[in-house]
Amino acid sequence: DSGVTQTPKHLITATGQRVTLRCSPRSGDLSVYWYQQSLDQGLQFLIQYYNGEERAKGNILERFSAQQFPDLHSELNLSSLELGDSALYFCASSMDGTDTQYFGPGTRLTVL
Amino acid sequence: AQKVTQAQTEISVVEKEDVTLDCVYETRDTTYYLFWYKQPPSGELVFLIRRNSFDEQNEISGRYSWNFQKSTSSFNFTITASQVVDSAVYFCALRPNDQTGANNLFFGTGTRLTVIP
Repeated sequence: DSGVTQTPKHLITATGQRVTLRCSPRSGDLSVYWYQQSLDQGLQFLIQYYNGEERAKGNILERFSAQQFPDLHSELNLSSLELGDSALYFCASSMDGTDTQYFGPGTRLTVL
Repeated sequence: AQKVTQAQTEISVVEKEDVTLDCVYETRDTTYYLFWYKQPPSGELVFLIRRNSFDEQNEISGRYSWNFQKSTSSFNFTITASQVVDSAVYFCALRPNDQTGANNLFFGTGTRLTVIP
C-alpha cells in the first residue's frame, strides 16, 4: 500500500458526460501528479500540482481540468467524455517536486 | 527531448531462470533520475528503485539488481531465480532535472514479464 488513495476504483459512464476523480496524497506529500494509462498512448503525464498551485502540464486535453485543495487532496475533472478517454487514471504524490513519486491504485474509467 | 525505450515488449521465462529487462534513455540533462516501477495484474504501479545520474553504483536488493551505465544510457533490471509472483509489466521511467520545477516522469512502453511455473 503506497499510502495514496484514489476514488472511485471503477467508473462507467456515457459519452458526453462529466466525471470527477479524486486523489488523496500520502501524509506529508505536497506534490500531486495525474497520469493517464491507455493501450495506445501508454503512461502519459497530465498535470502536476505543488502545494495547491499548478506546477506543470503535460498532454492534458482542454476538456480535462484539475485542482489541488488546501487539504492537499486533488481532483481531476473530465468533461464531454469520448470513447477514447477510456483509460486507467493514476494519481501519484511526492514530498516535494524532487522526491520519488508513489502511485495510487488508479481509477479505471470506461466510457460507453 | 526526453525518451525512454524498452525494446522488449514481452518476455517469458520458466521459473527459477534469471531475466534481464532492458531500458535505454535519452536526455540532454546532465542531472536526472531513473526509476523502475512494477505493475502486477492487479493494476497498481509499485515503485522498485530510483537512481540519480551521478551515482553509477550498481545495486542489489534480494533477487533484484540494477545495472546503470551512463556511457550507454542504459538502466537494466535483472531478476535472479524468477518466481511466478514476478509476473507483471515493468516500466522504466526518467525524470529530468527540470529547472522550471516540472518533475513529471517519462515512461517507457513497459515490458510484460511472464514467469511460467
